[in-house]
Amino acid sequence: DAGVTQSPTHLIKTRGQQVTLRCSPKSGHDTVSWYQQALGQGPQFIFQYYEEEERQRGNFPDRFSGHQFPNYSSELNVNALLLGDSALYLCASSLGDRALEAFFGQGTRLTVV
Amino acid sequence: QKEVEQNSGPLSVPEGAIASLNCTYSDRGSQSFFWYRQYSGKSPELIMFIYSNGDKEDGRFTAQLNKASQYVSLLIRDSQPSDSATYLCAVSDSNYQLIWGAGTKLIIKP
Repeated sequence: DAGVTQSPTHLIKTRGQQVTLRCSPKSGHDTVSWYQQALGQGPQFIFQYYEEEERQRGNFPDRFSGHQFPNYSSELNVNALLLGDSALYLCASSLGDRALEAFFGQGTRLTVV
Repeated sequence: QKEVEQNSGPLSVPEGAIASLNCTYSDRGSQSFFWYRQYSGKSPELIMFIYSNGDKEDGRFTAQLNKASQYVSLLIRDSQPSDSATYLCAVSDSNYQLIWGAGTKLIIKP
């Protein structure tokens, strides 16, 4: 039973560039949530996708966008990268849009230089 | 502003002793409470969840919830060096989203 998988694991981008991160949820799960985790901080909620729609969004600018595909996999896109976007980006999957028992992927470490 | 507060630590506990981790939250409407463990450079891993007042035990772990005091804790019995990690407390809000604490770093000394 595959767990949550994210790609890539590490990424280095230049300020102003755009990046796409990918996530495949745990088998049987239909909801994907994205988080940003800065060093020494707890995860910060970016948004959640359920039934291919963005259901909830945290306090992140429009530069952060996403998508969910019919197979429940998801992408996180960040435009016009800033140095402050450097962080660990975590994808969590769960079952149902009100499910809170989330399982995380290994994360993507994004470094903006 | 909904908040979840944790002591950042580090909390140092001798091997074999009980480690006690605490978390307070501001939203009285919170219904669900979670403890995650995060090793350095890794993603969070769900350890325990608790929904009702009282204690919930799972192996060496016990979660305790007191909604009146807006307080949730995690006890780790017979602490092992492998328990050394950062422990994150997460609390659901009325929109079923998780609000996270910044985590407590736990160090188990052999």
